[in-house]
Amino acid sequence: EAGVVQSPRYKIIEKKQPVAFWCNPISGHNTLYWYLQNLGQGPELLIRYENEEAVDDSQLPKDRFSAERLKGVDSTLKIQPAELGDSAVYLCASSARTGDHNEQFFGPGTRLTVL
Amino acid sequence: GEDVEQSLFLSVREGDSSVINCTYTDSSSTYLYWYKQEPGAGLQLLTYIFSNMDMKQDQRLTVLLNKKDKHLSLRIADTQTGDSAIYFCAAPRHSGYSTLTFGKGTMLLVSP
Repeated sequence: EAGVVQSPRYKIIEKKQPVAFWCNPISGHNTLYWYLQNLGQGPELLIRYENEEAVDDSQLPKDRFSAERLKGVDSTLKIQPAELGDSAVYLCASSARTGDHNEQFFGPGTRLTVL
Repeated sequence: GEDVEQSLFLSVREGDSSVINCTYTDSSSTYLYWYKQEPGAGLQLLTYIFSNMDMKQDQRLTVLLNKKDKHLSLRIADTQTGDSAIYFCAAPRHSGYSTLTFGKGTMLLVSP
């Protein structure tokens, strides 16, 4: 079974440019997460989807970040315009709800460098 | 909200035991998790423990939970060079099924 797929793996852009990341979760997983991981830090949640509904986006900087999960499967995360401080790894994860146990499966991440 | 703290670095010799410690703040946390991250990769679930347990053993891994002190530890027996990675402790932000709050990670370096 394929794991969580993310693309691109690496992206280098100049500040003020737009950028988009794509995630394909594990088949059958209803919950999808986007995390931001800065160097030397743990992942921090940006947004969580239950099917196609964003149920927790309190940490998403909505002035420049947007996300969508059409049809409740794949998801895209967009930054427009990108700033120098956005350089980080963007991780996507998915999980299948099984009671209170929340095992999240992570993709390899997209490493963004903003110049 | 939940706050998770970990020591940042641990260095051991191959064959020794490693103990990575974590503290959390939300006493209503149901499950607590340990994830492993190798360079250039996403996080991989290592093990987890339910809050009504004191200990869980899984091959070389032993998780100890002290609910009174809100302290969680991960012991790796017979540590190998392949265990070198960053280990994250994680707890739900709210009780029950929810978003996880991760610690900053403990970098484990295993030398031959």
